[in-house]
Amino acid sequence: SQTIHQWPATLVQPVGSPLSLECTVEGTSNPNLYWYRQAAGRGLQLLFYSVGIGQISSEVPQNLSASRPQDRQFILSSKKLLLSDSGFYLCAWSPAQRGFSGNTIYFGEGSWLTVV
Amino acid sequence: QKEVEQDPGPLSVPEGAIVSLNCTYSNSAFQYFMWYRQYSRKGPELLMYTYSSGNKEDGRFTAQVDKSSKYISLFIRDSQPSDSATYLCAMSADRGSTLGRLYFGRGTQLTVWP
Repeated sequence: SQTIHQWPATLVQPVGSPLSLECTVEGTSNPNLYWYRQAAGRGLQLLFYSVGIGQISSEVPQNLSASRPQDRQFILSSKKLLLSDSGFYLCAWSPAQRGFSGNTIYFGEGSWLTVV
Repeated sequence: QKEVEQDPGPLSVPEGAIVSLNCTYSNSAFQYFMWYRQYSRKGPELLMYTYSSGNKEDGRFTAQVDKSSKYISLFIRDSQPSDSATYLCAMSADRGSTLGRLYFGRGTQLTVWP
């Protein structure tokens, strides 16, 4: 079965510090990978998605970047955090070949980021 | 107009009640519909998915899609305190291309009290 791991689970970072959140998926090959942010009262916001190694699409201009150095590894980064970067960050994956379930995606446990 | 509208609640019901959660949408091209359950400080987990119109049942949960009204529902029978969570609807139009966009509602917060 497929599993998704995301870390760290919680972090508190000062303004201006760098950020690195990491996500790995097991049990599948060539998944589509996603980074979402969930802010209180604002729902899920898609930040980045990737259909393959080195292929990153950004949904919104922001202080963040993403990279996919390996097939099942997805990294969210920032060089200098802003207060507005605080939130709950979720990594997710979906099968490359979608069948009946369409593009159903599966989420990791999330990372709580507080920028102080 | 947002693609997907969902009443954020909060919704509070006694144990054993039937719960009805709903979403409306504007894009008539949507044909895949999903419900996710999210416990506090956890990632959303897929609860149910349906394709096109109709009903789908899984234990105490029933998902219903009415494409003519652009309206989807999730019913929870015999609700339990363990059902207390935020429920998010999601939907998409695309199946054929490599990556289809998934549109989420903002979620409805449900509390089931004993």
